[in-house]
Amino acid sequence: EIVLTQSPGTLSLSPGERATLSCRASQSVSSSYLAWYQQKPGQAPGLLIYGTSSRATGIPDRFSGSGSGTDFTLTISRLEPEDFAVYYCQQYGTSPLTFGGGTKVEIK
Amino acid sequence: QVQLVQSGAEVKKPGASVKVSCKASGYIFTDCYIHWVRQAPGQGLEWMGWINPNTGAPNFAQKFQGRVTMTRDSSISTAYMELSRLTSDDTAMYYCARGLAAKGHDYWGQGTLVTVSS
Repeated sequence: EIVLTQSPGTLSLSPGERATLSCRASQSVSSSYLAWYQQKPGQAPGLLIYGTSSRATGIPDRFSGSGSGTDFTLTISRLEPEDFAVYYCQQYGTSPLTFGGGTKVEIK
Repeated sequence: QVQLVQSGAEVKKPGASVKVSCKASGYIFTDCYIHWVRQAPGQGLEWMGWINPNTGAPNFAQKFQGRVTMTRDSSISTAYMELSRLTSDDTAMYYCARGLAAKGHDYWGQGTLVTVSS
């Protein structure tokens, strides 16, 4: 199975700062099938980015995704208070589908 | 609007089975796969498998082979996930999610907490 490793485990930043989250795959992932999800405490995950760089409906443009092959990145250009949460990457092109372990973005 | 509404929390004893339902609305049920994802307390997300509501064909992660059953009743737009031979390691929030081939999981249920305790 494709193992996804996210780094860092925790990112401590202030509102207004830029966040860069990494997702590295153990083997090549089709760019068409890499997604990012946001999860807040007590809530189900929500889709942010699909196909590496396409924003889901209603997602603000401060969220962007990039990458190819085995290295993918989620960037939040300027953190808003509501962006402090846990972020997961997922590959959904090869069964079994797999998630990364998550990156927690916390307020510094 | 698209909604996935799951059944309520369950408490089960070790060795028992649990069946969770996921009722879809706001779209054509047979157009999209239903995936099941679980999350143990304080842990990350774990994909369990999917069911094709059109054909009923499932696909499970190897870890759950032989212990999980995924079914659907298209007449009421509802998918089911049954997990048997429960242990304390199965204590988790179980989510259903709509799967689109190119878009990942765009809608999620609210989650069903399954607690396994003697």
